Amino acid sequence: SQQGEEDPQALSIQEGENATMNCSYKTSINNLQWYRQNSGRGLVHLILIRSNEREKHSGRLRVTLDTSKKSSSLLITASRAADTASYFCATDEESSGDKLTFGTGTRLAVRP
Amino acid sequence: DTAVSQTPKYLVTQMGNDKSIKCEQNLGHDTMYWYKQDSKKFLKIMFSYNNKELIINETVPNRFSPKSPDKAHLNLHINSLELGDSAVYFCASSLLRGQANEKLFFGSGTQLSVL
Repeated sequence: SQQGEEDPQALSIQEGENATMNCSYKTSINNLQWYRQNSGRGLVHLILIRSNEREKHSGRLRVTLDTSKKSSSLLITASRAADTASYFCATDEESSGDKLTFGTGTRLAVRP
Repeated sequence: DTAVSQTPKYLVTQMGNDKSIKCEQNLGHDTMYWYKQDSKKFLKIMFSYNNKELIINETVPNRFSPKSPDKAHLNLHINSLELGDSAVYFCASSLLRGQANEKLFFGSGTQLSVL
């Protein structure tokens, strides 16, 4: 598997429900970022969490980081149809300097 | 006002042709990037420029040549296009050098189809 692998690959929920996406990585990191990509658009930065942080909030988003398990989760609370998009985590591998490595993303569909 | 703009949005061309994709950012950022996203949505960095200087050059065929006339522009020229070059190409920028600590601003992508 590759650095920054998201799980599940696809998720379908009802509007108002919470959506949780997970990201696992292999090597030690300094930071982890989450991005959203709407269909046919570029990626939009959501949140950055540093390796010495365990949890971060931004509006309806909550990101956790567990460096011992090499995993992160993105929780979207009270989802809306507009949250329908692909969500990617991005990590920096120690061996590759400060390059970001993106996973293949989780496709989230929020049904109205 | 579009922060990172790239043109064209769609590019359909024949194998063997040469094509260019242009990118401009009006954010005053120092660093610009080219990423390639394949059909499985896997996003991989190709090049990175910091203030017109090449700082990242991944294992990309030398048919791909980036050019940065100034720090607000990073163009991508592709020679002798091949079927496998079909993908979506994204331009991005960040305020400073160092992707890991910086959030990236992406353009809306150029979908390249090689026939």
